[in-house]
Amino acid sequence: ELKVEQNPLFLSMQEGKNYTIYCNYSTTSDRLYWYRQDPGKSLESLFVLLSNGAVKQEGRLMASLDTKARLSTLHITAAVHDLSATYFCAVDYGGSQGNLIFGKGTKLSVKP
Amino acid sequence: EPEVTQTPSHQVTQMGQEVILRCVPISNHLYFYWYRQILGQKVEFLVSFYNNEISEKSEIFDDQFSVERPDGSNFTLKIRSTKLEDSAMYFCASSGGQGAHEKLFFGSGTQLSVL
Repeated sequence: ELKVEQNPLFLSMQEGKNYTIYCNYSTTSDRLYWYRQDPGKSLESLFVLLSNGAVKQEGRLMASLDTKARLSTLHITAAVHDLSATYFCAVDYGGSQGNLIFGKGTKLSVKP
Repeated sequence: EPEVTQTPSHQVTQMGQEVILRCVPISNHLYFYWYRQILGQKVEFLVSFYNNEISEKSEIFDDQFSVERPDGSNFTLKIRSTKLEDSAMYFCASSGGQGAHEKLFFGSGTQLSVL
């Protein structure tokens, strides 16, 4: 059974600081996704990582994938309040298209 | 930007009643999905649908659940006899348009409350 574990599950940080969210998964996978969810809202796609060593950046967020270690990271640079949300990683375990296994999410709170 | 739309946004029903949740996927997408999220918990896969049939379903998607694409635009999830534990946010998603094969686009969800 594929397991996806994120840590930390809760993260409180100050504006301007850097931090990393980790996503470990238990079996090989072709694709890893990062999503953002604001309270009561839907899932917004942030990144799709398709290969070992993939790195993608958008604004203050940067995601990377190490398929050998079965690890993805989401790095936050100089956090701002607008980044407060829950961040999910999800792994496509290779079944049919789009069967994603989600982690429990990391609830990020950025305080001024 | 094209988006996945879901209706209704909220649905309250009595236990044992049937509900139909509706979704309009992005128009050129080929793959359709339902996920659910129980309050405060992680998002769980229910079912994927391609070429007018179910591609894969999870253990959650038992005989009480069914999906249908009744026309060229709608994609529905039916729960035949709702249970209290079916209360959740249900998300529809689609993918498989040109150049967007890997990325799933999620709708804003239907909050289902079973009383």
